[in-house]
Amino acid sequence: DAGVTQSPTHLIKTRGQQVTLRCSPKSGHDTVSWYQQALGQGPQFIFQYYEEEERQRGNFPDRFSGHQFPNYSSELNVNALLLGDSALYLCASSFSDREAFFGQGTRLTVV
Amino acid sequence: KQEVTQIPAALSVPEGENLVLNCSFTDSAIYNLQWFRQDPGKGLTSLLLIQSSQREQTSGRLNASLDKSSGRSTLYIAASQPGDSATYLCAVRSMGGKLIFGQGTELSVKP
Repeated sequence: DAGVTQSPTHLIKTRGQQVTLRCSPKSGHDTVSWYQQALGQGPQFIFQYYEEEERQRGNFPDRFSGHQFPNYSSELNVNALLLGDSALYLCASSFSDREAFFGQGTRLTVV
Repeated sequence: KQEVTQIPAALSVPEGENLVLNCSFTDSAIYNLQWFRQDPGKGLTSLLLIQSSQREQTSGRLNASLDKSSGRSTLYIAASQPGDSATYLCAVRSMGGKLIFGQGTELSVKP
C-alpha cells in the first residue's frame, strides 16, 4: 500500500497564475481533505470531499476549489495566486471519519 | 467554535527523559482525537487515534490519554530518544467533519 501520495512535491508559481495539486488516497479510503499549513502553524482545513461532492469547507475564498474523481483521487485548484498562498498543502484521506492519513505535502511558493 | 491549544510550544529535554505534551480543546463534542508527528518540511505521520468513547491508547513508548469532560489530552513519551525530535500536533474531529489542529509542540531531544 503506497499510502497517500501527492504531486508535485514542490512548485514555484508567479502571482496571478493558477495551480493544480493532486492527491491519491490510501487504498480503501473514500474521504479526502485538503489543508494549508503556513510555516510554524498547525494545518488549516480547506475542504473535504466525499462521494465526489464537497462535504465541508473551511474559511478559504472561492479562489480555492477542488474535485474528487470516481476513483477517490482529488485535485486542489487555486486561481489568481497571491504571495500569501505560499504554504505546504497537505492532503489527508480516511475511511469516513476514521483515522486520517496524510501525504508528504506539496510545497507551493508564489513569487 | 472549536479551538485547540498545545502547551508548551517548544520543549528541549535530555535523552532518556520521560515527557508529557499537552493538548486542550474548547468543545467536548468530538468524534475522535489524533496525535501526529511532523518532521521539518514533511507531511504528518499518525501516531495515535483515540475515539471519543476511549480513555487512552498506547503504541510502543507512546501513550495518549483523553478526558473529554475537561477538554484535555496528553501524549506521554517514555525514554525519549534523539530520533523523537520533531513537531507533535494534536487534532480533534467532530462528527462528519474536519480536523482542527493545535499549533504544535516542537520537541528537541539532546543526546
